[in-house]
Amino acid sequence: EAQVTQNPRYLITVTGKKLTVTCSQNMNHEYMSWYRQDPGLGLRQIYYSMNVEVTDKGDVPEGYKVSRKEKRNFPLILESPSPNQTSLYFCASSITSGSSYEQYFGPGTRLTVT
Amino acid sequence: GQSLEQPSEVTAVEGAIVQINCTYQTSGFYGLSWYQQHDGGAPTFLSYNALDGLEETGRFSSFLSRSDSYGYLLLQELQMKDSASYFCAVREANYGQNFVFGPGTRLSVLP
Repeated sequence: EAQVTQNPRYLITVTGKKLTVTCSQNMNHEYMSWYRQDPGLGLRQIYYSMNVEVTDKGDVPEGYKVSRKEKRNFPLILESPSPNQTSLYFCASSITSGSSYEQYFGPGTRLTVT
Repeated sequence: GQSLEQPSEVTAVEGAIVQINCTYQTSGFYGLSWYQQHDGGAPTFLSYNALDGLEETGRFSSFLSRSDSYGYLLLQELQMKDSASYFCAVREANYGQNFVFGPGTRLSVLP
């Protein structure tokens, strides 16, 4: 089954404790992205990657890091989480050719930073 | 950068037709997409308009007018299961593929 998986689905942590949210896709997509979703603000892109070893900032990259060492994986790293990073996070992937650029989203990770 | 605006809420009854508008301010983009998100779920792709005009996919249609900086999603024969949030999104016309989403419109379908 074609899918994007994220782990963990729920995470409660404390300020300053480094964490990683994993994202993996099995569709051989070149493009992967991370979003955060907050009430009334829609989805805001954090980082994206157009292929292995190619990453770029989205609209809200501060406080986050990413890496793309393999095509299927795109982990999101919070080196020193703060309460304002409490949010719902989605990973997404898509092809980079064609006309639709349809994005496939993972199930989401709900992060709470206390 | 891009800025997209959508109504925050829309209410309609089963069987009706509803239109969700999306206006944008942009320096350039490749196309307008629409996504549906049910409560507690992930966004799912509905449609994409690369060119001006109407794209139809079953009960859903999407429209784009670049000259008016405007698009809409049209939902026909509304069903209860269509109650969800709907987001428009653009892919910026820069060297990468930066996506920008609108704030979302919550659609409530009443019996």
